[in-house]
Amino acid sequence: GQQLNQSPQSMFIQEGEDVSMNCTSSSIFNTWLWYKQDPGEGPVLLIALYKAGELTSNGRLTAQFGITRKDSFLNISASIPSDVGIYFCAGQLGGGSQGNLIFGKGTKLSVKP
Amino acid sequence: DAGITQSPRYKITETGRQVTLMCHQTWSHSYMFWYRQDLGHGLRLIYYSAAADITDKGEVPDGYVVSRSKTENFPLTLESATRSQTSVYFCASSDEDLYSNQPQHFGDGTRLSIL
Repeated sequence: GQQLNQSPQSMFIQEGEDVSMNCTSSSIFNTWLWYKQDPGEGPVLLIALYKAGELTSNGRLTAQFGITRKDSFLNISASIPSDVGIYFCAGQLGGGSQGNLIFGKGTKLSVKP
Repeated sequence: DAGITQSPRYKITETGRQVTLMCHQTWSHSYMFWYRQDLGHGLRLIYYSAAADITDKGEVPDGYVVSRSKTENFPLTLESATRSQTSVYFCASSDEDLYSNQPQHFGDGTRLSIL
């Protein structure tokens, strides 16, 4: 089946630093989504990308839909302690099948004040 | 705006027992989903539903049963629980759009332990 390779698996950074994580796949996706999960809660949608090459920002977060449609990255600028959590990418296949959402295994972000 | 709610939040049961996890959404979203989250596996789709009375298997459906008699509810039943079904279960929903895939919105999860 399709797989997403998300990297890095974990990051430990200093407050104020920028963060970058990415997802790659051998499959072509029509949609890329980025979620954040806090402990004891469900994933919360951060950014949705619908077009190849699309670059979208949400506050200090910026995500891009790769031109090949096989990858996406998420950047967080000037990290703060509340950025701590697990970030998931998810790729959605086309064809109108809502069930075909494939998740990466997550990037665990720790921020040192 | 209640959104999507799951109950119970925590459940402990014994092997062989039947257990039902509830999911309720107030957005009138067409699609609903059940995932399980395990260390090393991320989120894996169990079942999903495109509308009332329409359900389909995901990646890991064995041992689970779902129903969707009403648009707003999507219960997940473990008919005879096994230890391998100990996990955190997430329900999600999304709207229907003919021209783009709408993102899924998640509940806060049910942590299920099977002894």
